[in-house]
Amino acid sequence: TQLLEQSPQFLSIQEGENLTVYCNSSSVFSSLQWYRQEPGEGPVLLVTVVTGGEVKKLKRLTFQFGDARKDSSLHITAAQPGDTGLYLCAGAPDFGNEKLTFGTGTRLTIIP
Amino acid sequence: EPEVTQTPSHQVTQMGQEVILRCVPISNHLYFYWYRQILGQKVEFLVSFYNNEISEKSEIFDDQFSVERPDGSNFTLKIRSTKLEDSAMYFCASSFTIQYFGAGTRLSVL
Repeated sequence: TQLLEQSPQFLSIQEGENLTVYCNSSSVFSSLQWYRQEPGEGPVLLVTVVTGGEVKKLKRLTFQFGDARKDSSLHITAAQPGDTGLYLCAGAPDFGNEKLTFGTGTRLTIIP
Repeated sequence: EPEVTQTPSHQVTQMGQEVILRCVPISNHLYFYWYRQILGQKVEFLVSFYNNEISEKSEIFDDQFSVERPDGSNFTLKIRSTKLEDSAMYFCASSFTIQYFGAGTRLSVL
């Protein structure tokens, strides 16, 4: 069974600070997605990483896939209150349309 | 922007009753999924569906669950005899290569 552990589980920081969220597994994934989920809504895709070592940037968000494709990180620069939410990583075991294994989630709160 | 649509947004049912959750996937997508999320827990895979048949299912997806694509647009999840522990958010997703999720149906079994 593939597991994805996210850390920290909860993070509360001041507006303007930087932060990093981690997503770790002992399993190799062919691709890894990061989603953001608002209360009572479905996960909304932020980014997909597929190549070991890949780095993708989405405005102030930087996503990295580990060289061995077992882990990933999300770094937010100069966090804003609008970044508040639940961030989920999800991995696919084989490239293509396979089931996603979701991480445990990181609930981020940005304090104005 | 195309989106996955789920109805109803909230379903309340009595234990033992049958429920059907409905989804309209994104139109050019070929792969369809159901996931669930029990309150406070992580999102869990239930089933994937391709070419009019189940391609993979989890151990959660027992014989009380079934899926169907009755026409060219809808994708449904049926729970034959609901249990209290079926209470959860149920998410439909569809993909061509990347999975996009609907807003979910909150199922409350009383």
